Amino acid sequence: GAGVSQTPSNKVTEKGKYVELRCDPISGHTALYWYRQSLGQGPEFLIYFQGTGAADDSGLPNDRFFAVRPEGSVSTLKIQRTERGDSAVYLCASSRDGNGGYTFGSGTRLTVV
Amino acid sequence: DQQVKQNSPSLSVQEGRISILNCDYTNSMFDYFLWYKKYPAEGPTFLISISSIKDKNEDGRFTVFLNKSAKHLSLHIVPSQPGDSAVYFCAARGSGSARQLTFGSGTQLTVLP
Repeated sequence: GAGVSQTPSNKVTEKGKYVELRCDPISGHTALYWYRQSLGQGPEFLIYFQGTGAADDSGLPNDRFFAVRPEGSVSTLKIQRTERGDSAVYLCASSRDGNGGYTFGSGTRLTVV
Repeated sequence: DQQVKQNSPSLSVQEGRISILNCDYTNSMFDYFLWYKKYPAEGPTFLISISSIKDKNEDGRFTVFLNKSAKHLSLHIVPSQPGDSAVYFCAARGSGSARQLTFGSGTQLTVLP
């Protein structure tokens, strides 16, 4: 596609539930990133994929968070046993080779009630 | 421990005048710096970048200055236009294989007509 697509754009879930957030990167981009942005803050790094493998997952806050990219294209960020503190905008970005600036999607606004 | 700091949460400038947005960093391993612009309900958009081997990079109305000794960079927009009103994020990337960006907390720029 022309840009990075993220679905859903908004997600409201109850505390303790499981959620999946989807990212469809720009075609041909091998590098894919997940960031999380809380209100009044800049985006915070979560995980970086180069192809199918997670090259750097040092930003994942705990083991409730997991991400996959099985075919090197679409990625899914999975959050188990959601907590109210997980409420944020989750941003996905992709780049051709991991260098330079990358292109962000519009994000998924997750609200845990 | 904020490694990238934007100390001004907001800035108002008259149309046609210069906007100067500032950013400070603490990690001397950062070797590449970027500015992103963000409109409400959209993802951040890459604006301009600079490598640590340079002290200035210009692209149209946008110029980024880097002072490595002071660990300071700034974004100049001249002349400012109402459409420039957005949140501006400074970001930095470390050397080596790390590809994650560390973002500041952003500055809301308002250009008054």
